[in-house]
Amino acid sequence: SQTIHQWPATLVQPVGSPLSLECTVEGTSNPNLYWYRQAAGRGLQLLFYSVGIGQISSEVPQNLSASRPQDRQFILSSKKLLLSDSGFYLCAWSPTKGLTTSLNSGNTIYFGEGSWLTVV
Amino acid sequence: AQSVTQLDSHVSVSEGTPVLLRCNYSSSYSPSLFWYVQHPNKGLQLLLKYTSAATLVKGINGFEAEFKKSETSFHLTKPSAHMSDAAEYFCALLTGGGNKLTFGTGTQLKVEL
Repeated sequence: SQTIHQWPATLVQPVGSPLSLECTVEGTSNPNLYWYRQAAGRGLQLLFYSVGIGQISSEVPQNLSASRPQDRQFILSSKKLLLSDSGFYLCAWSPTKGLTTSLNSGNTIYFGEGSWLTVV
Repeated sequence: AQSVTQLDSHVSVSEGTPVLLRCNYSSSYSPSLFWYVQHPNKGLQLLLKYTSAATLVKGINGFEAEFKKSETSFHLTKPSAHMSDAAEYFCALLTGGGNKLTFGTGTQLKVEL
């Protein structure tokens, strides 16, 4: 079965410091990968998504970047954190389109456990 | 434009009573719709999904949702609430050519004794 892992689970970083959040998916190949952010009192915002190695789409202009160095690895980074970067970051994956549409396959997007980032 | 609206930011029910969480959508295409649940400090767990098959979709933990095209709705229901159902619930629409989810702003469900 497929699993998704992201780390660290909790992070407290000073303003101006760098950031690296890592996410890996196991049990599948060529997944679509996503980074979402959930800020306090706000909904879920898609930050980046990737349909393949080195292919990154940015949804909103911001202080963050994403990279996909390997098929099942997705990294969220920042060179200098801002206070406004604080939030709950969720990595997610979905199978490549074209599979069956049962609950556990097809275009369903599955989420990791999240990483709490507090910028102080 | 494709969007999702969750009509209630907070819903409070008594344990053992029915749950109704409302979701309306706007889509130019035949929609794929999802409900996710998020417990405090946790990731999102998929409850159920609709992808143009049966309009009444059954999910995990006794939840179900009915797709109504005429009302552009996909409301989530459960016949009898349990304390463990207390969480935040998100309705979502698959967009971006089937590669992205657009979320509603969430409904916080409180279950009281």
